Amino acid sequence: GENVEQHPSTLSVQEGDSAVIKCTYSDSASNYFPWYKQELGKGPQLIIDIRSNVGEKKDQRIAVTLNKTAKHFSLHITETQPEDSAVYFCAAMEGNNAGNMLTFGGGTRLMVKP
Amino acid sequence: DVKVTQSSRYLVKRTGEKVFLECVQDMDHENMFWYRQDPGLGLRLIYFSYDVKMKEKGDIPEGYSVSREKKERFSLILESASTNQTSMYLCASSSQDGHYGYTFGSGTRLTVV
Repeated sequence: GENVEQHPSTLSVQEGDSAVIKCTYSDSASNYFPWYKQELGKGPQLIIDIRSNVGEKKDQRIAVTLNKTAKHFSLHITETQPEDSAVYFCAAMEGNNAGNMLTFGGGTRLMVKP
Repeated sequence: DVKVTQSSRYLVKRTGEKVFLECVQDMDHENMFWYRQDPGLGLRLIYFSYDVKMKEKGDIPEGYSVSREKKERFSLILESASTNQTSMYLCASSSQDGHYGYTFGSGTRLTVV
């Protein structure tokens, strides 16, 4: 089955700096890679996703890049703000999984210091 | 606004009690999931369901069971609660029409004393 590793587990940045979270996956057939943000006391919320036929996707201050050859994908947050502080999860979906099963990374706690 | 609703935000139960955690989605999703979230351990899949009356074990099913009698409702059952089941429980749903994202509920923080 799929295995997703996520680094770092914690990340502290100064407000206004950029933050990068990296994930690797094991199944070359995986074709969908979402990112979730979990704020304190809430469930994870989808913030951006990318499919295997695309190398990069941007949405305002967040972007995701995918390198299929190396089997890794990254979340980039620019001009970080205190409200970006949260736990972020990456995930990968196996290509032949009829049930749309996601495998999640272990999570990254991002702290943005004002 | 589409929703996954978990019946309780906080729950305190005694050891040995039978506990029901309820999850309802209003998106007509086929797939529903129960995860457990503990500090440092990420999201661990307990059970999932692809359809009504259908269930599959996830990575940590021991001590849990599930019920899906209606498409919109997926219940997690702790047959005899133990202190090591104190955790945050998250329900999620997804469709099978090509939009793959999960929608999560807000979670139930269960404490077993």
